[in-house]
Amino acid sequence: KAGVTQTPRYLIKTRGQQVTLSCSPISGHRSVSWYQQTPGQGLQFLFEYFSETQRNKGNFPGRFSGRQFSNSRSEMNVSTLELGDSALYLCASSLAGSSGGPGELFFGEGSRLTVL
Amino acid sequence: AQSVTQLGSHVSVSEGALVLLRCNYSSSVPPYLFWYVQYPNQGLQLLLKYTSAATLVKGINGFEAEFKKSETSFHLTKPSAHMSDAAEYFCAVSEDFGNEKLTFGTGTRLTIIP
Repeated sequence: KAGVTQTPRYLIKTRGQQVTLSCSPISGHRSVSWYQQTPGQGLQFLFEYFSETQRNKGNFPGRFSGRQFSNSRSEMNVSTLELGDSALYLCASSLAGSSGGPGELFFGEGSRLTVL
Repeated sequence: AQSVTQLGSHVSVSEGALVLLRCNYSSSVPPYLFWYVQYPNQGLQLLLKYTSAATLVKGINGFEAEFKKSETSFHLTKPSAHMSDAAEYFCAVSEDFGNEKLTFGTGTRLTIIP
């Protein structure tokens, strides 16, 4: 069974540009979450999508956005890049347990963004 | 608001020694608690999960954690460290029902001394 796939793995952008990152979840997983990981702030929750709907959102500016497609694949977009957006962006998918509690998150290897 | 505190950003233990990584949580409701491990240049992998079924939770690779409500703790232990355990470990909490949001601690980097 294929794991969570994130593309691209590495990318370099300049300030003011925008970037789109892609995430393909494990087959059958309907929930996709995004996290930002930096040495200073650690792992910060960006947002979660379930069945094409944003179910939860972290405390990030509106420059950070995402979406989920009908096949559960997800993209996140960052517009008007700032130096501080340099980070590892991790995508995670889950079955989203029907009991109501959180399920196990399966993480991809991440997309490492460098903003110059 | 939910949060977790991991005591010690770096822990070093000798190969074969006990591993103890500390995590304290803050939650207004009975929480779900997790330990994840991250190896270099990789994503996170779930070690174990507490969901109130049992206070002692056994995970993969010989790790276990004990939920202590009176101490609001969920420390991770392994009786005998192996070189392959060198990684960064994250404690996480969730008290949200109906979504998958986790709040992570700042992580503990575990070094194994040969």
